[in-house]
Amino acid sequence: ETGVTQTPRHLVMGMTNKKSLKCEQHLGHNAMYWYKQSAKKPLELMFVYNFKEQTENNSVPSRFSPECPNSSHLFLHLHTLQPEDSALYLCASSQTLGDIQYFGAGTRLSVL
Amino acid sequence: QKEVEQNSGPLSVPEGAIASLNCTYSDRGSQSFFWYRQYSGKSPELIMFIYSNGDKEDGRFTAQLNKASQYVSLLIRDSQPSDSATYLCAAYTGFQKLVFGTGTRLLVSP
Repeated sequence: ETGVTQTPRHLVMGMTNKKSLKCEQHLGHNAMYWYKQSAKKPLELMFVYNFKEQTENNSVPSRFSPECPNSSHLFLHLHTLQPEDSALYLCASSQTLGDIQYFGAGTRLSVL
Repeated sequence: QKEVEQNSGPLSVPEGAIASLNCTYSDRGSQSFFWYRQYSGKSPELIMFIYSNGDKEDGRFTAQLNKASQYVSLLIRDSQPSDSATYLCAAYTGFQKLVFGTGTRLLVSP
């Protein structure tokens, strides 16, 4: 049982849809992260939040919009995505920045 | 130059053998290093972390770090078919950004 829970596990959406990914951590951590994992490519850091404040936006297109209402919850709002955005989206958390990161199970996103 | 480099493999070893996975990194400011195991379609799972030069052992796993050579390795003793997975090497950069390699696929044959 992972301490980081992601929903939904699978998502299929059209290019004009709006959807949101949710991440919740039960570890009492203060930092949360969004990563994108595409085939044959290393994990790409997208966003970092520390104590609810965004500390990193790794040049992510504006069609991805993160939200962190508190240290335990992280959302990724999606709109007008492209087929190349199809990937595994992973959420992670750590006690502090620079600490061990623990991953959720991920959301497999397919954009048609 | 990639920040964290790994041979993509696959690395094939017979059951019971030692699997040796290697990783190099480019940022001399990196201080902490991690090995994650990722089964196909699953999320990364932490196997080992190492901060100091030398060896760190945990069960069948040994992580080795050589900061002078900017080299990290993971040894898996008595490899089992269940160890077949992709192993991701990761390093924090000086900006506290965790950078991952592309992973090495390990195949352990019975």
